[in-house]
Amino acid sequence: DAGITQSPRYKITETGRQVTLMCHQTWSHSYMFWYRQDLGHGLRLIYYSAAADITDKGEVPDGYVVSRSKTENFPLTLESATRSQTSVYFCASRGTANTEAFFGQGTRLTVV
Amino acid sequence: ILNVEQSPQSLHVQEGDSTNFTCSFPSSNFYALHWYRWETAKSPEALFVMTLNGDEKKKGRISATLNTKEGYSYLYIKGSQPEDSATYLCAFWNYGQNFVFGPGTRLSVLP
Repeated sequence: DAGITQSPRYKITETGRQVTLMCHQTWSHSYMFWYRQDLGHGLRLIYYSAAADITDKGEVPDGYVVSRSKTENFPLTLESATRSQTSVYFCASRGTANTEAFFGQGTRLTVV
Repeated sequence: ILNVEQSPQSLHVQEGDSTNFTCSFPSSNFYALHWYRWETAKSPEALFVMTLNGDEKKKGRISATLNTKEGYSYLYIKGSQPEDSATYLCAFWNYGQNFVFGPGTRLSVLP
């Protein structure tokens, strides 16, 4: 199916564990983004990527790692999960700056 | 860190009222300003992408204007309907390639 998909949709993990959230898009969009949704903050940018093998930090990158070995995939890894990383995570992709971004369905992550 | 602000934070209007809200963004290194509509338990969906100073876009009862020199954009909803209830987000894109969202305006339209 064409589009952008995130997996898993829901995840519960323990403090200190490593967890990876997956994001896959089928449009060959250059840009991909990871946001977290928190009350009172809206969507905050964690990391973004302008192309394969090019990534850069956003507003709140601490505790997260990304990679982009292929254009269509942009996984987000929490190296050692903390309770403060409990959130809903959205992945997005877009072609160029003057085209709209498309969002995945979101991943609800709970760290206990 | 880019500062993108939106006001008001939330508002309640009656069905049939017209309303508008504001997005403020840095006026330097401007590349594009996006508006998104975000319904509860769904993903944000694009309304407009605006790139030129003075741009005006319209989709049905919703329209937007852009002033890149002073760093603001307005979103207007004419004759609000209950189905317009959502959070409206603006996002700013600059030449540094940051794509940062404002905190959103939560609109509730009462029947």
